[in-house]
Amino acid sequence: ETGVTQSPTHLIKTRGQQVTLRCSSQSGHNTVSWYQQALGQGPQFIFQYYREEENGRGNFPPRFSGLQFPNYSSELNVNALELDDSALYLCASSLPGTSGGTSTDTQYFGPGTRLTVL
Amino acid sequence: QQQVKQSPQSLIVQKGGISIINCAYENTAFDYFPWYQQFPGKGPALLIAIRPDVSEKKEGRFTISFNKSAKQFSLHIMDSQPGDSATYFCAASRNQAGTALIFGKGTTLSVSS
Repeated sequence: ETGVTQSPTHLIKTRGQQVTLRCSSQSGHNTVSWYQQALGQGPQFIFQYYREEENGRGNFPPRFSGLQFPNYSSELNVNALELDDSALYLCASSLPGTSGGTSTDTQYFGPGTRLTVL
Repeated sequence: QQQVKQSPQSLIVQKGGISIINCAYENTAFDYFPWYQQFPGKGPALLIAIRPDVSEKKEGRFTISFNKSAKQFSLHIMDSQPGDSATYFCAASRNQAGTALIFGKGTTLSVSS
């Protein structure tokens, strides 16, 4: 069974640029959640995708957007990067027991992408 | 507004000792309380989780104690080992589609040998 993988591992961008982060979910998992983890903080929920539709969103501006593909892999896009966007971006996949997904289904995290904005 | 408060921020325990990390939550709609362990350079990994219908759950050396009336829960690591040195996060969520895990700020545990 393949775990959650993310790419790239590290990324350096300058303020104002755009970035795309990628996530491959664990085999068979149809729900993907994205989290932002600032240094020394716990992960903060960005949004969740279930069967290619956004299924919930945290307190992040619209310049944070995402996609989920038919194979359940996912992308996180961030436009107009700001210095405060520097963080570890985590992807987590899960297999909900009911339609629509619930957050109580075990979420399996990938190793993250470390984004630095200069 | 921080919905899950975790303490202490850091903890040093001798090998063989008991590590205790505490969390408090505000939202009474939360009904799932997991603990995650994170090593440097890795994503968080689920350690143990509890639902509010029980007051304690034990898995090996790890125990969650849950106090619904006080809105508090804690992680106890018995016989702590150097390999347990990591950052631990408590979290909480509602059983509703599309909702998130709300994490505490984390506790860095160091177990000295």
